[in-house]
Amino acid sequence: GENVEQHPSTLSVQEGDSAVIKCTYSDSASNYFPWYKQELGKRPQLIIDIRSNVGEKKDQRIAVTLNKTAKHFSLHITETQPEDSAVYFCAAGGWQLTFGSGTQLTVLP
Amino acid sequence: DTAVSQTPKYLVTQMGNDKSIKCEQNLGHDTMYWYKQDSKKFLKIMFSYNNKELIINETVPNRFSPKSPDKAHLNLHINSLELGDSAVYFCASSQVAGGPYEQFFGPGTRLTVL
Repeated sequence: GENVEQHPSTLSVQEGDSAVIKCTYSDSASNYFPWYKQELGKRPQLIIDIRSNVGEKKDQRIAVTLNKTAKHFSLHITETQPEDSAVYFCAAGGWQLTFGSGTQLTVLP
Repeated sequence: DTAVSQTPKYLVTQMGNDKSIKCEQNLGHDTMYWYKQDSKKFLKIMFSYNNKELIINETVPNRFSPKSPDKAHLNLHINSLELGDSAVYFCASSQVAGGPYEQFFGPGTRLTVL
């Protein structure tokens, strides 16, 4: 089955700085790579996703890159704000997903 | 309008009891899921249910069973509850046939077994 590793487990940045979270996956058949944000006590919510036929996708301050050869993908958040503080999960698969272990991002004002 | 809803939001019960959590989606999706999120925040798939095909994560004890009365509902039944079952359980749904695969999560049910 699929195995997804996510790093770092915790990340603290100053407001306005960039944050990068990295994930690797094991199954070359995976073709869908979403990123979810989970605020404390809330449900995970999709913030951006990318498919295996695309190398990069951007949505305002958030971007995701995918390297299929190396089987890794990354989330980039620019100009971080305190409201970006949350747990971020990567996932890989297709209609079934395997989630990474999460990254607690703290944006310090 | 709530896309994916779960009831109850909180569930506190004694060891050995049997309980159910209900999930409904009004998105017209063809696939539903149950996830378990433990105290370390790991999100682990328990069941995937698509067009009457049930895929069970092999690590899930057979005390857990999903029941789908129709495409919009996937309920979770748990027999003989154990302390280790305490966690937050999330239901999710997605459209698989034709895509785009995005999974929408319910608000979660926090289960506490005493």
